[in-house]
Amino acid sequence: QKEVEQDPGPLSVPEGAIVSLNCTYSNSAFQYFMWYRQYSRKGPELLMYTYSSGNKEDGRFTAQVDKSSKYISLFIRDSQPSDSATYLCAMSALRGGADGLTFGKGTHLIIQP
Amino acid sequence: EAGVAQSPRYKIIEKRQSVAFWCNPISGHATLYWYQQILGQGPKLLIQFQNNGVVDDSQLPKDRFSAERLKGVDSTLKIQPAKLEDSAVYLCASSRMTSGREADEQFFGPGTRLTVL
Repeated sequence: QKEVEQDPGPLSVPEGAIVSLNCTYSNSAFQYFMWYRQYSRKGPELLMYTYSSGNKEDGRFTAQVDKSSKYISLFIRDSQPSDSATYLCAMSALRGGADGLTFGKGTHLIIQP
Repeated sequence: EAGVAQSPRYKIIEKRQSVAFWCNPISGHATLYWYQQILGQGPKLLIQFQNNGVVDDSQLPKDRFSAERLKGVDSTLKIQPAKLEDSAVYLCASSRMTSGREADEQFFGPGTRLTVL
């Protein structure tokens, strides 16, 4: 069993839909949870950063962490074609990934105009 | 603020050849990471530097991979000799340490895409 499981997709939804992406993990030492967005032939860029359990909202994006279930989610409201990318979940035991980030495989998201 | 710079962006080599990648982190970032991203996978940490010292190289295949960060700024990652399974994108990231064991977010460069034939 990998430390972080993430469905690679592709996930295709129409423009304007609510998108739900998620990851499960097995290492209970993980305290910091991140979502990165990666466009084709680009490096990952940080979207959301949360600590421990709870919700965090930033514009159209909401991140949820449930440490008891070892499950994290990213919701995208009013999805746009420009949201089409690969979304990577990442986690670490130390703040900022100072111990290195452990990533999921990434979910390839396609928003249909 | 300039981002993380990497070169070259693309490299094609034959197996058993050697190759080197270069990374220039964001100014002032003490911590530098090299990740390997195989097609269809998430990035995997290879090595982590803090200033010019190695913090973690437990996942670096040391029989063929080496890395250095002279003067605590730029870093090079070398593969010698390369194997077919080394085909991947090599990502460099940097972050600012806020304390002995904590950091701000990691910023990633665009990566170097290596193809081994």
